[in-house]
Amino acid sequence: EADIYQTPRYLVIGTGKKITLECSQTMGHDKMYWYQQDPGMELHLIHYSYGVNSTEKGDLSSESTVSRIRTEHFPLTLESARPSHTSQYLCASSAPGQGSGSPLHFGNGTRLTVT
Amino acid sequence: AQSVTQLDSQVPVFEEAPVELRCNYSSSVSVYLFWYVQYPNQGLQLLLKYLSGSTLVKGINGFEAEFNKSQTSFHLRKPSVHISDTAEYFCAVIISGGYNKLIFGAGTRLAVHP
Repeated sequence: EADIYQTPRYLVIGTGKKITLECSQTMGHDKMYWYQQDPGMELHLIHYSYGVNSTEKGDLSSESTVSRIRTEHFPLTLESARPSHTSQYLCASSAPGQGSGSPLHFGNGTRLTVT
Repeated sequence: AQSVTQLDSQVPVFEEAPVELRCNYSSSVSVYLFWYVQYPNQGLQLLLKYLSGSTLVKGINGFEAEFNKSQTSFHLRKPSVHISDTAEYFCAVIISGGYNKLIFGAGTRLAVHP
């Protein structure tokens, strides 16, 4: 059962709109991540956070931004959506304790379509 | 740069047959290795992980994987698959000492037929 929640599951929106994808986890994990996934392609890290008030860009350049004001919440925002932003966005978190070997726990994703 | 290669984009197999999904990685340093499964319209779920110790790792749903350092491989196997195993499988690597930066392969679609 998922302890990391993403809303909405599906979103269809017009070009130019501002959107926020929500991600919350109830496990108290300090590290959180956003991945972008296109069909048949590997997941690409677009943002990550070590903890409150800590955010970094990932490997794949993204026009989105993130914030981490609370441990459990890691929303992703697109100020002006474009068709090129159409993709699936997966949020994940990981616990301390096993160093960099801690597995990631994933939410069910938000499938975004920009028309 | 580190990378993960999943050698088969699709693997069709009949129910109750064995299956192997292949994964190779490139890294000159210690790594942690993972296999994740993604069912339709869901997020990724951890199948198994190799951090250290025994090179044969057992995971959920009857899957196992073997870490081979000399061949830089981490192939996933199951001796007898079920229809319910139909899903996308992702191999992933974390570079030791990093910040849990997970590098994914492109995925292998396992299709189990009756």
